[in-house]
Amino acid sequence: EIVLTQSPATLSLSPGERATLSCRASQSVSSYLGWYQQKPGQAPRLLIYDASKRATGIPARFSGSGSGTDLTLTISSLEPEDFAVYYCQQRNSWPLTFGQGTRLQIK
Amino acid sequence: EVQLVESGGGLVQPGGSLRLSCVVSGFTFSYYEMIWVRQAPGKGLEWVSYISSSGNSIHYADSVKGRFTISRDNAKNSLYLQMNSLRAEDTAVYYCARVLGQQSLYFDYWGQGTLVTVSS
Repeated sequence: EIVLTQSPATLSLSPGERATLSCRASQSVSSYLGWYQQKPGQAPRLLIYDASKRATGIPARFSGSGSGTDLTLTISSLEPEDFAVYYCQQRNSWPLTFGQGTRLQIK
Repeated sequence: EVQLVESGGGLVQPGGSLRLSCVVSGFTFSYYEMIWVRQAPGKGLEWVSYISSSGNSIHYADSVKGRFTISRDNAKNSLYLQMNSLRAEDTAVYYCARVLGQQSLYFDYWGQGTLVTVSS
């Protein structure tokens, strides 16, 4: 099983700042990684798939990069609605696995 | 508009059974692979099960293998999760979700979730 470790666990930033979230895999996932955003009481929302492709309707301030074991989600300039929990997910091999999440909170 | 609506959650005793349903609309269900994901209270996301568009390919997480059964009825636009031998650690919100594209194994549309509580 591929274990995904996200860091930091909590990130405190202000609107307008740049956010960098990390997802490290216990073995290579190639580029087969997605990112989701989840707000309280809501289902997750797909942001990025295949490491760097934005899902339909996702603003350009969200970008993904990396491959292998170190992947990153970047939010270039935080909007108030971006404060949420973010999860990475690999589809390189069964079982599908998620990271434990990064909470992005307002500073 | 794509919609996924789960139902069937509730309170069940340890060792009991529940059947979750997910009725979809707004897309051609028979074309899409589907999955179940769960989230324990205050915890992260855990993939539970996958089913191909035809139902011929199925995968389970080790934590539910042998106890849960995923199925689908393409004529009824419905996905199911039969859960047997339930344990306290199965307590979670269960989401059904659509797979983005053939074999892409990312999830682009989700239901609102149904809560399963396993407790005596």
